[in-house]
Amino acid sequence: SQTIHQWPATLVQPVGSPLSLECTVEGTSNPNLYWYRQAAGRGLQLLFYSVGIGQISSEVPQNLSASRPQDRQFILSSKKLLLSDSGFYLCAWMGQAGSPLHFGNGTRLTVT
Amino acid sequence: KQEVTQIPAALSVPEGENLVLNCSFTDSAIYNLQWFRQDPGKGLTSLLLIQSSQREQTSGRLNASLDKSSGRSTLYIAASQPGDSATYLCAVGGAAGNKLTFGGGTRVLVKP
Repeated sequence: SQTIHQWPATLVQPVGSPLSLECTVEGTSNPNLYWYRQAAGRGLQLLFYSVGIGQISSEVPQNLSASRPQDRQFILSSKKLLLSDSGFYLCAWMGQAGSPLHFGNGTRLTVT
Repeated sequence: KQEVTQIPAALSVPEGENLVLNCSFTDSAIYNLQWFRQDPGKGLTSLLLIQSSQREQTSGRLNASLDKSSGRSTLYIAASQPGDSATYLCAVGGAAGNKLTFGGGTRVLVKP
């Protein structure tokens, strides 16, 4: 069966520090991979998605970036965090287009 | 641009009552529609997926309907239980099926 791992579960970082969140998927190959952010009182916002290794689409201009160095690994990064980057970050995967979307347990990021 | 709305934002019902959750979307050219459940501090769990050619989908006490022409979906939960308390989100799949637009969710409280 397929599983998705996302870590860390919680993170507190000072403004201006770098960020690296990692997500891996097991039990499937060539998945579509996604990073979402859920801010308090706001909906789920798609940040990045990837249909294959090295293929990243950015949905929202920001100081975040994403990379997919391996087929089942998706990384969210920032060189310098802003206060507005605080939120709940969720990684997700989808098999073939139109199949269910599966989420990880999320990372709660607080930028202080 | 697709917009997805869920009204009401919150609802409280006594145990045993049937739940009716609404989702509306502005662009009827959808690939599919998914309903998710989110418990506090957790990721999203996929409940039901309805393809654009389907009118409804059922799983246990859950039934979701889709009226693409009017831009609406409804999630019915029969005989609600306290364990059904959570936030329920709907998401609409775009034309290619690999990008979802989420509604803001409905927070449900089932009182024992």
